Amino acid sequence: AQTVTQSQPEMSVQEAETVTLSCTYDTSENNYYLFWYKQPPSRQMILVIRQEAYKQQNATENRFSVNFQKAAKSFSLKISDSQLGDTAMYFCDSSHPDHSNYQLIWGAGTKLIIKP
Amino acid sequence: GAGVSQTPSNKVTEKGKYVELRCDPISGHTALYWYRQSLGQGPEFLIYFQGTGAADDSGLPNDRFFAVRPEGSVSTLKIQRTERGDSAVYLCASSSQAGATNEQFFGPGTRLTVL
Repeated sequence: AQTVTQSQPEMSVQEAETVTLSCTYDTSENNYYLFWYKQPPSRQMILVIRQEAYKQQNATENRFSVNFQKAAKSFSLKISDSQLGDTAMYFCDSSHPDHSNYQLIWGAGTKLIIKP
Repeated sequence: GAGVSQTPSNKVTEKGKYVELRCDPISGHTALYWYRQSLGQGPEFLIYFQGTGAADDSGLPNDRFFAVRPEGSVSTLKIQRTERGDSAVYLCASSSQAGATNEQFFGPGTRLTVL
């Protein structure tokens, strides 16, 4: 069975600092996708970044980048120049094309607090 | 265009009552998902629709839970004989088509509280 583990329940950093959120996953499949979603207090889940497992190059979206280590099954999220609006729950997810429903497998989340 | 909307945003009910939660997906999105998110946890999959049919309902916890999507657009999650353990945020997501790469767009959720 596929699992996603986020070992940091909560993190806090000062505004403008860089922070890295950890995620490990377990799968026996070769073809899968990894995501980071952000859930602010408004509850609206928002996609932050996506990585295809067959791509070696790490995905980047503006201040957000990932460090994808396929052999180690690690998928960490780096937020550079953190902003107050980055305060939210962050969820790491995986999705598997060979499954019939493409459901997202979710980690437990990391609560990130950006302090002014 | 409008995103995914869910109504009501909050629902308080008494144990044993019946509730319906509604999801309006993004227009044209054929895939629709329901998830349940308990306090302090990540969402868990409930059911997935492709068009009008429930392609996978393996995440529904028991037969008190049922969902429909009769016209391939709006979906309703129905919970009979509610229990206190059903209290959670129920999230709906839609995507343009089924696929692991297709981004799922989420609604704001319905917070269900069973007293």
